[in-house]
Amino acid sequence: NAGVTQTPKFRVLKTGQSMTLLCAQDMNHEYMYWYRQDPGMGLRLIHYSVGEGTTAKGEVPDGYNVSRLKKQNFLLGLESAAPSQTSVYFCASSYDGGRAYNEQFFGPGTRLTVL
Amino acid sequence: AQTVTQSQPEMSVQEAETVTLSCTYDTSESDYYLFWYKQPPSRQMILVIRQEAYKQQNATENRFSVNFQKAAKSFSLKISDSQLGDAAMYFCAYRRGGATNKLIFGTGTLLAVQP
Repeated sequence: NAGVTQTPKFRVLKTGQSMTLLCAQDMNHEYMYWYRQDPGMGLRLIHYSVGEGTTAKGEVPDGYNVSRLKKQNFLLGLESAAPSQTSVYFCASSYDGGRAYNEQFFGPGTRLTVL
Repeated sequence: AQTVTQSQPEMSVQEAETVTLSCTYDTSESDYYLFWYKQPPSRQMILVIRQEAYKQQNATENRFSVNFQKAAKSFSLKISDSQLGDAAMYFCAYRRGGATNKLIFGTGTLLAVQP
């Protein structure tokens, strides 16, 4: 049981390049999330998904796209990377939205640098 | 909009002593949940403790306990008998009750434990 995994762990991009971050979970969770973490700002929600085939915008969605073609995978895409997207990206998953003890399980993070 | 505020960017505690981390939040909702997450240097986000707003009793997990003051919208974390392994960034987080499970994080408190 690997939990939540993220690929890659580190990446350096040049401005304008594109890339996709992959998140995978083996816990059969319905909900998945993408956050970014910047110094002094905590974690902010980019996009989330409430089930296979669904996506929704979070707090800071601009410049990102997501897809949830399979229940276990949640992809985050940057079509044209900008230096402002330099950050640490975290993926998380949970069973569903409403249960009381509905813990979000986090992946190890991806450090992305855009030059 | 809901907000979470952590007013202590950094704290320090001696090993075996007790430390309290502060968190305040703003919401007009009556049904919500509060969490403390720990992020050690490994970057992994670890759930430390959680509290349901409808419960008057403060949550406790071993050496970790909270002081939940609903009227004051305050949710502090007390760490007793501090250990070197407690050194980490601590994030307070809020989520509204109901179907959504979006977490709103504070900016974090970096805790140092002195031997």
